[in-house]
Amino acid sequence: EVQLVQSGAEVKKPGESLKISCKGSGYTFTSYWIGWVRQMPGKGLEWMGIIYPHDSDTTYSPSFQGQVTISADKSISTAYLQWSSLKASDTAMYYCAKAAPGTGGFFFDYWGQGTLVTVSS
Amino acid sequence: DIQMTQSPSSLSASVGDRVTITCRASQGISNSLAWFQQKPGKAPKSLIYAASSLQSGVPSRFSGSGSGTDFTLTISSLQPEDFATYYCQQYNDYPPTFGQGTKLEIK
Repeated sequence: EVQLVQSGAEVKKPGESLKISCKGSGYTFTSYWIGWVRQMPGKGLEWMGIIYPHDSDTTYSPSFQGQVTISADKSISTAYLQWSSLKASDTAMYYCAKAAPGTGGFFFDYWGQGTLVTVSS
Repeated sequence: DIQMTQSPSSLSASVGDRVTITCRASQGISNSLAWFQQKPGKAPKSLIYAASSLQSGVPSRFSGSGSGTDFTLTISSLQPEDFATYYCQQYNDYPPTFGQGTKLEIK
């Protein structure tokens, strides 16, 4: 059974750094793109970017390029999303998700439970 | 970016009703269209991919159709557990984009 288990909720102050995680199991982690989706409070879904854990090839949405960093540690089947300097506008739920084969990493068939990030002074 | 427009934005219906949600792309996306269901406080769940292929484990009352720019999600007979928000997503072009969502509520 495919499972994606994300790290717990975070409360941070503006300017702080943060790295959240997503551990995959039940499938060959290095063979599928894995990515992140943002959902701001009461809003819709936004595709942020993806990584191919086999070689760490990464693609970002233009909206998120330079704002976040996606990485992966294939030795522990875990993907990461990190910020170097958080803003209040980063407050959102963040979902990791596994991409379906043959979709270039653009369609996610399995999703994690979400990590709520709250940024407030 | 390709814009995905869903209609209606919200919908009230009763158990047993047949419901259709529409998604329109701002340019042709072949059949690279997915539908997701999201319940309050939960992660999105994939229902349909390639416009009309049912994800494993999804009940057969859900169906999808369309190609090019116009797509539909149909629920043939609403069940209590179907009341949720539904999103379409195109994955034909970079970056992938989602519709704004359709909230399906109990009448």
